[in-house]
Amino acid sequence: DAGVIQSPRHEVTEMGQEVTLRCKPISGHDYLFWYRQTMMRGLELLIYFNNNVPIDDSGMPEDRFSAKMPNASFSTLKIQPSEPRDSAVYFCASSTLAGLGNEQFFGPGTRLTVL
Amino acid sequence: GENVEQHPSTLSVQEGDSAVIKCTYSDSASNYFPWYKQELGKGPQLIIDIRSNVGEKKDQRIAVTLNKTAKHFSLHITETQPEDSAVYFCAASGGDSGYALNFGKGTSLLVTP
Repeated sequence: DAGVIQSPRHEVTEMGQEVTLRCKPISGHDYLFWYRQTMMRGLELLIYFNNNVPIDDSGMPEDRFSAKMPNASFSTLKIQPSEPRDSAVYFCASSTLAGLGNEQFFGPGTRLTVL
Repeated sequence: GENVEQHPSTLSVQEGDSAVIKCTYSDSASNYFPWYKQELGKGPQLIIDIRSNVGEKKDQRIAVTLNKTAKHFSLHITETQPEDSAVYFCAASGGDSGYALNFGKGTSLLVTP
């Protein structure tokens, strides 16, 4: 299995531009999570989905952030308009509760820089 | 919501020594406690986890202990090696947070030869 796939790996954009981050979870996983990592705040959960349905979006910082999961193999996190304080590494993770596991498998992350 | 505190933030040990990282959590209903290792430029990777019905779990050089009464859990790495150098995160889930993981701030471990 290729693991969780994220694209792009690096994104540099200017303030005010729209940014779209993409994630392909591990096949068969029914949970998908979006995290943001910064030095100041550590790893923060933004939103998670179960069977493509958003379950908890309380971590989404503001209306500029939106996430979708149109099908079981694809999710996007969009920031519009982007601001310099959005600069961070964004991780996508997937998991399944099949069996006894609850391990979340993380992708390599997207490093976002907003100038 | 759940609050996870992690100490120390940095830890330096000599190769062969043991390393201990401690975490506390606030939600007594939390029931799953994983530890993740993050190497530079990579996503976190699970190294060991423990559930609330178990007090201790060991996997080769790594062990985790859980004290539900005190609401704290610890990671123990014995016979440390330079490749153990990384950032380690504890997390908690269950309770009010459901399946979402609440992470500690991380511990940067450096193992010097």
